[in-house]
Amino acid sequence: GENVEQHPSTLSVQEGDSAVIKCTYSDSASNYFPWYKQELGKRPQLIIDIRSNVGEKKDQRIAVTLNKTAKHFSLHITETQPEDSAVYFCCYSGNTGKLIFGQGTTLQVKP
Amino acid sequence: DGGITQSPKYLFRKEGQNVTLSCEQNLNHDAMYWYRQDPGQGLRLIYYSQIVNDFQKGDIAEGYSVSREKKESFPLTVTSAQKNPTAFYLCASRASSYNEQFFGPGTRLTVL
Repeated sequence: GENVEQHPSTLSVQEGDSAVIKCTYSDSASNYFPWYKQELGKRPQLIIDIRSNVGEKKDQRIAVTLNKTAKHFSLHITETQPEDSAVYFCCYSGNTGKLIFGQGTTLQVKP
Repeated sequence: DGGITQSPKYLFRKEGQNVTLSCEQNLNHDAMYWYRQDPGQGLRLIYYSQIVNDFQKGDIAEGYSVSREKKESFPLTVTSAQKNPTAFYLCASRASSYNEQFFGPGTRLTVL
């Protein structure tokens, strides 16, 4: 069935350190892998996405890697800042556009 | 705000009542989605619609109903059959030629 496992559920880092969140998905037909950031009480905001024909994508301090063979994808945040503190969700979807969300990772960046 | 609005922001329901959550978009998107989020959890898909006058059940459709009579609007009704409706409800839309979903600000529903 459609499922994505996300780890860790909570992550605490010191400002300036890197943070890594990992996800494993089940549907081999998936072709789109977005990451959303959600602040408390707010809507999810897309921070980066990757398609299945690309192995890695970077946008300033944020990067995502995808290993389709292993069905793994990861989010990397470098030089973390306190404003990076939020809940991060990995997702995947196929051709219908339905998004399957992970359970979320609460990232805390300590000043 | 991405052109998607949801109302009301907060909604209180008595047990046994049906309530309708509004979702409107002016982005000319074909596809619209309803998600439910419980505290500390990810989003789960309730219903989605890829074109006007057509919609499909998501993973947790029981106790909910939708309509898609206009491209801009995708209201969600939470019926009395939904036994635990207290949650944060998020609507999203997507252009058919793109993957990105844009989310509305959400409606927080509480059953009294």
